[in-house]
Amino acid sequence: QQQVRQSPQSLTVWEGETAILNCSYEDSTFDYFPWYWQFPRESPALLIAIRPVSNKKEDGRFTIFFNKREKKLSLHITDSQPGDSATYFCAAIASSGSWQLIFGSGTQLTVMP
Amino acid sequence: AQTIHQWPVAEIKAVGSPLSLGCTIKGKSSPNLYWYWQATGGTLQQLFYSITVGQVESVVQLNLSASRPKDDQFILSTEKLLLSHSGFYLCAWSPGQKDTQYFGPGTRLLVL
Repeated sequence: QQQVRQSPQSLTVWEGETAILNCSYEDSTFDYFPWYWQFPRESPALLIAIRPVSNKKEDGRFTIFFNKREKKLSLHITDSQPGDSATYFCAAIASSGSWQLIFGSGTQLTVMP
Repeated sequence: AQTIHQWPVAEIKAVGSPLSLGCTIKGKSSPNLYWYWQATGGTLQQLFYSITVGQVESVVQLNLSASRPKDDQFILSTEKLLLSHSGFYLCAWSPGQKDTQYFGPGTRLLVL
């Protein structure tokens, strides 16, 4: 059962373009959505996170847009840089119930110089 | 500042041999601790979590076990490795229930 879905599986953009990574979920009790990025042969690191009390979270060039009604999120990376090339994971957890942080399958982003 | 250390960095083991991986966190008392497994090119699968010393909950069965002998230590082990155990093992911590989880550097395991 795939509770958190990500698309596309891979994405290539040119330096300076905006990359859009998508995430959707099934469980309406999910109420915390962290995004992690993972560089080759490294462990995942927290990039940005959002709770459904707001529909947008911004941190520099990284912005999460959240649509609670459609159970969808997207991560926008503006002015993409080659150093942004990594695998991005969307995750979700419910504050009540299971302790399990559920990860999507990831989007591999490549930013071409 | 909190630091999380995992050992060993990497292991090559034979099928059927035992395994013990460790994780230590410093700078935070009573953290929530987690073990994850990641296949090469795959997503992260939570294996265990622990909210206090001596208590460990299993999330998914992979013929592995976990223990928390000290407040700052989390151990992952098995008596008999399978080929399917190969992958990247990550320890993570969070300050409280359902808070952001922070990952350690990981241990790469290859079972032959």
